[in-house]
Amino acid sequence: KQEVTQIPAALSVPEGENLVLNCSFTDSAIYNLQWFRQDPGKGLTSLLLIQSSQREQTSGRLNASLDKSSGRSTLYIAASQPGDSATYLCAVSDSWGKLQFGAGTQVVVTP
Amino acid sequence: SAVISQKPSRDICQRGTSLTIQCQVDSQVTMMFWYRQQPGQSLTLIATANQGSEATYESGFVIDKFPISRPNLTFSTLTVSNMSPEDSSIYLCSVRDTAGEQYFGPGTRLTVT
Repeated sequence: KQEVTQIPAALSVPEGENLVLNCSFTDSAIYNLQWFRQDPGKGLTSLLLIQSSQREQTSGRLNASLDKSSGRSTLYIAASQPGDSATYLCAVSDSWGKLQFGAGTQVVVTP
Repeated sequence: SAVISQKPSRDICQRGTSLTIQCQVDSQVTMMFWYRQQPGQSLTLIATANQGSEATYESGFVIDKFPISRPNLTFSTLTVSNMSPEDSSIYLCSVRDTAGEQYFGPGTRLTVT
């Protein structure tokens, strides 16, 4: 059974620092991996999708890496801003589209 | 990308009653998914809804408790039946595009008293 773990559970950084969020999964037979952002009381916003054949994806200040063989992904957020404060969720998908989520990393960026 | 709407956005219901949640997508999709997010927890998949066939439920979820309809390629409903306070959660629907990226609706926040 696939298990997804996110470390750390919570992170607080001053504005301007880079953020590093980690995600690990136990079964490397994934279809893809997706990073989401969730604001309090809101739904999920897709940040980055990495296909199983890819090693990296970038969008603006966000960069996500994937090492499928070791079951790890890392989300980097450069030059953090207070607006980056949210919970970040990592999810792995099987070929049917079923997502298995990690518990999330709660990020606070202080001005 | 897909734009997904859900109704209602929130509700407070009494124990023993049922609530039907609607999910509408702005494009035709083959598969729709229903997730539950219990307070302070991450998301758990309830079931997968394909148009024209019975929904497929994950371990721990049963059709009698969470009946699902999928009448066409842009719409689905999830009913939470015979509710108890343990059903208080956010319920979210999602769809997957052809590239495999998933999009979520804003969620329905359910409180059972």
